[in-house]
Amino acid sequence: EIVLTQSPGTLSLSPGERATLSCRASQSVDTNYLAWYQQRPGQSPRLLFYAASRRATGIPDRFSGSGSGTDLTLTINRLEPEDFAVYYCQYYGSSPFTFGPGTKVDIK
Amino acid sequence: EVQLLESGGGLVQPGGSLRLSCAASGFTFYNYAMHWFRQAPGKGLEWVSVISSNDYSTYYGDSVKGRFTISRDDSKNMVFLQMNSLRAEDTAVYYCAKGSSEYTSSAGDHWGQGSLVTVSS
Repeated sequence: EIVLTQSPGTLSLSPGERATLSCRASQSVDTNYLAWYQQRPGQSPRLLFYAASRRATGIPDRFSGSGSGTDLTLTINRLEPEDFAVYYCQYYGSSPFTFGPGTKVDIK
Repeated sequence: EVQLLESGGGLVQPGGSLRLSCAASGFTFYNYAMHWFRQAPGKGLEWVSVISSNDYSTYYGDSVKGRFTISRDDSKNMVFLQMNSLRAEDTAVYYCAKGSSEYTSSAGDHWGQGSLVTVSS
């Protein structure tokens, strides 16, 4: 089973700043099966990226995904008010399709 | 527009059973895998189960294996989650999600609004 860890647990930033979120896998993963999700308070999760860097429909280009091997990164340039949320990475290459514990991006 | 509407949640006693349903619309249902995820109160996301399109392959998370069964009815554009031997730790909001492809190894690219399941005496 792939174990995903995310850091930091909480990221306190101001609107307009850049957020850099990390997702580390317990072993090297095929990044074709790595996803990032956003969950705003009180809402269902929303897919941001699949295959690590392929932006899902409707996701603004201030969001970018990158990485390989065991280290994946989600970058949000110029934070907008609606970007303050919890972000999860997920590996779906083999069952069980595990999630990381999440990174909360909150307003400083 | 993709829409997913879960139903069937509620309060159930430990050891009891519940069947969740998810009605899908806005896409060619039989071409996509379907997932169930859950989120316990104040906790992170947990993947529960997936069923592929075509050969109906299924997989389950370790915490529900042997107790939960996923199924689908392509004639009705619906996916189900039969939950047996429920435990307090199964208390969560359950989300149905459309897979990003026909295969079980797919991301959840559209999610429903969720259905709350509470297991308590």
